[in-house]
Amino acid sequence: AQSVSQHNHHVILSEAASLELGCNYSYGGTVNLFWYVQYPGQHLQLLLKYFSGDPLVKGIKGFEAEFIKSKFSFNLRKPSVQWSDTAEYFCAVKWGNEKLTFGTGTRLTIIP
Amino acid sequence: ETGVTQSPTHLIKTRGQQVTLRCSSQSGHNTVSWYQQALGQGPQFIFQYYREEENGRGNFPPRFSGLQFPNYSSELNVNALELDDSALYLCASSALGQGTDTQYFGPGTRLTVL
Repeated sequence: AQSVSQHNHHVILSEAASLELGCNYSYGGTVNLFWYVQYPGQHLQLLLKYFSGDPLVKGIKGFEAEFIKSKFSFNLRKPSVQWSDTAEYFCAVKWGNEKLTFGTGTRLTIIP
Repeated sequence: ETGVTQSPTHLIKTRGQQVTLRCSSQSGHNTVSWYQQALGQGPQFIFQYYREEENGRGNFPPRFSGLQFPNYSSELNVNALELDDSALYLCASSALGQGTDTQYFGPGTRLTVL
C-alpha cells in the first residue's frame, strides 16, 4: 500500500541551527513530491514541490529538499532556522494519477 | 492566501445529524479535493471532484458524499455523524489537466461532533 513516513514527530531546535526533516515513501514509479507547512492558526501552505528535473528543489523561505530516488526519500532542509519557522511540516506524495498521500507530520519548535 | 475559501469556520453537531461544508476554489482551478485531518494526523483524502464528477475516492464510507457545481465550487456532505467524524475538514483546489496538479488548501472547517 502507498504510504508516506515522517519519522521525526517533534523536533526542537535553537535559532540558527540547521534543519533536516525526513520523508520516505513506500515504493517508486512516477512520483510528484511536496512539502507543506502549517503555521499555528493558519492553513496548509505549499513550501516546495518536485515533479521532474533537478532533484534539489528550492522553495520559499530558504527551504530546500532533495529527491533521492534510490532511497525513496525527499528530505526537507534549511541551513539556519528562525523562530518564525515554528510550525507543523507535512510531506506528501502523489503516485501517477493517484490521490495525494500525506505523512503524519513533524512538529517543529524553534527556541529563541 | 491561496484564494480557496471554506465555510463555515467552525461547526458543532450532535451524533446522528447531517452536515454540509462548502468550498470555493481558486480562480482558474477546475478540481476540488476534500481531506479529513484528525488531531495530530496528516490530512486523509476523502474524494476529488473534476468537472462536476467524482474523480477518485479514499477509504471513507458512502455517508460521506459531495458535489461540484458549474463554477467549480464544492460541497462535502456527511450523514449520520459519528463522534470520530470530529476533525478539521480541508478543501484543496487544483488545475487538473493543465500541466501540474499542485493542490492549494483552504483554511478548513473545524467540525465537532458531540
